[in-house]
Amino acid sequence: DIQMTQSPSTLSASVGDRVTITCRASQNINIWLAWYQQKPGKAPKLLIYKASNLESGVPLRFSGSGSGTEFTLTINSLQPDDFATYYCQQYNSYSGYTFGQGTKLEIK
Amino acid sequence: QVQLVQSGAEVRRPGASVKVSCKASGYTFTAYYMHWVRQAPGQGLEWMGRINRNSGVSDYAQKFQGRVTMTRDTSISTAYMELSRLRSDDTAVYFCARDTGDSSGYPFNYFDYWGQGTLVTVSS
Repeated sequence: DIQMTQSPSTLSASVGDRVTITCRASQNINIWLAWYQQKPGKAPKLLIYKASNLESGVPLRFSGSGSGTEFTLTINSLQPDDFATYYCQQYNSYSGYTFGQGTKLEIK
Repeated sequence: QVQLVQSGAEVRRPGASVKVSCKASGYTFTAYYMHWVRQAPGQGLEWMGRINRNSGVSDYAQKFQGRVTMTRDTSISTAYMELSRLRSDDTAVYFCARDTGDSSGYPFNYFDYWGQGTLVTVSS
């Protein structure tokens, strides 16, 4: 299986900050990467697909980039609603569609 | 609007089986693959498998091969996930998640709509 590693595991930031979360794949996954946001007790919400495409309805302060094995999720001008846990997911490999371990974004 | 509504929480003894349902509405059920993802308490997300929108044939993550069965009843737009020989480390919230797919029904294997989750607790 392809392993996905996110960093950092926890990130402390303030409202208005710009933050970046990194996701690394254990092998080349081209651009077949999605990002999700999850709040406690809720299902994940799709933010980004195909590494850099914004899902409909997602605020423009969210953006994704990368290809191959290294990817980033950037949130510009953090809003109170953005404090949550973020997961990357690769969907390149038919052997399994694996997620990163998550990055918890906390209020500083 | 698209909705996936799952069955309620379950408690099982080790060695038992559990079957979770996921009722879809707001779209054509047979036009999209359905996946199942689980999340142990305080842990990350783990893909379990998917069911083909047309054939009803399922593909499973290797970890769950032989223990999981995914089925569907198209007459009531409901997908099911049954996990057998339960262990304590199967305690988790189980989600159904709709594959985004394209207009021809080809699966993309990322997920645009999710059920609310079903907590399965395995305890003696």
